[in-house]
Amino acid sequence: SYEVTQPPSVSVSPGQTASITCSGDKLGNKYTCWYQQKPGQSPVLVIYEDSKRPSGIPERFSGSNSGNTATLTISGTQAMDEADYYCQAWDSSAPWVFGGGTKLTVL
Amino acid sequence: QITLKESGPTLVKPTQTLTLTCTFSGFSLSASGVGVGWIRQPPGKALEWLALIYWDDDKRYSPSLESRLTITKDTSKNQVVLTMTNMDPVDTATYYCAHSRNRFGFFDYWGQGTLVTVSS
Repeated sequence: SYEVTQPPSVSVSPGQTASITCSGDKLGNKYTCWYQQKPGQSPVLVIYEDSKRPSGIPERFSGSNSGNTATLTISGTQAMDEADYYCQAWDSSAPWVFGGGTKLTVL
Repeated sequence: QITLKESGPTLVKPTQTLTLTCTFSGFSLSASGVGVGWIRQPPGKALEWLALIYWDDDKRYSPSLESRLTITKDTSKNQVVLTMTNMDPVDTATYYCAHSRNRFGFFDYWGQGTLVTVSS
């Protein structure tokens, strides 16, 4: 079965750029999206179809997907961005595969 | 405004069947492209996709759990029901339902989730 892998944790200083990766075989051939989940809350979609932002999501969130890696980038990271982030891959042969999540710490 | 809400038992015994209902508003499950999915999250662990049903009654299941899952919809009641048989303590999790606007695999609206504990 298809799998995607994320680093368990990423740390970033306020105002700096955070990059969270998601790796999988030929992931660039699939659609990826990213969810933000804060403690005790439901996930929130922050990036879909590799690089599109839903309305209401700040411009500092961006995404890319090529080769075997998708990346969520948060520019000018703020304290409010501290959360767990999950990537999710999709194609018709391996639908709705979630990564193990990355805990983003802003310190 | 799209909202979804999960309902069902908070406690089930091992070997029992779990039935969860997702009641939604703000969209129609008869609209082309729309789907409703179920995702779960064990305490402190990652998200896991379970099942999804599309507007045209196309149903998809997680390969690892397919034999235990059934997803159905009642368009007139704006509800989607998930049943999971033979529950085990490892199935203890928060169960979410979520809206999917097209077949490109992302969930743009999520319910608040419901915690289901499996214990005797």
